[in-house]
Amino acid sequence: AQRVTQPEKLLSVFKGAPVELKCNYSYSGSPELFWYVQYSRQRLQLLLRHISRESIKGFTADLNKGETSFHLKKPFAQEEDSAMYYCALRNTGGFKTIFGAGTRLFVKA
Amino acid sequence: DAGVTQSPTHLIKTRGQQVTLRCSPKSGHDTVSWYQQALGQGPQFIFQYYEEEERQRGNFPDRFSGHQFPNYSSELNVNALLLGDSALYLCASRTGGSGYTFGSGTRLTVV
Repeated sequence: AQRVTQPEKLLSVFKGAPVELKCNYSYSGSPELFWYVQYSRQRLQLLLRHISRESIKGFTADLNKGETSFHLKKPFAQEEDSAMYYCALRNTGGFKTIFGAGTRLFVKA
Repeated sequence: DAGVTQSPTHLIKTRGQQVTLRCSPKSGHDTVSWYQQALGQGPQFIFQYYEEEERQRGNFPDRFSGHQFPNYSSELNVNALLLGDSALYLCASRTGGSGYTFGSGTRLTVV
């Protein structure tokens, strides 16, 4: 069965500190992985996807198939990074996308 | 481009009633998915529509049904409402292998 696990409900870091939001998945095929972000009073939006291999707002995420992980990282957190982050998996064939429960990131001044 | 628009934004219904939620996808998008998001949870996949057909369905009862129109807009219908159906209902659209663009959701409260 497909599953996305985000083990931390809340992550609190100081401004300028590195941040890593964890995401583990279970899926038997070759998944597509995404990170979505929801800032306060805004709608859910795509942050990045693993096939793009890009850095968005300083965030990167590497797909580790051996560890079935897709952790989101940023070397220096900013206060504006405070938001809810969701890891998501899309199955091969690209129909259903499932989401983790989310991690709330709070960056303290 | 207004992106994905959903209506209404808020709705209060009584148990046993039926409700219809509406979604207009982002311009150029042909695939629409519906999600239910309960408080403190991630979005749960209800179903996806493409070319006016339901392409895949999540673990939701038949009380949840949908439709996609030729202009790609979509409706989500829920019959025989239960208290547990109270949630934020999100519509998301995409085209091809792109990521989703989400609407701001419809907050449904069942009393």
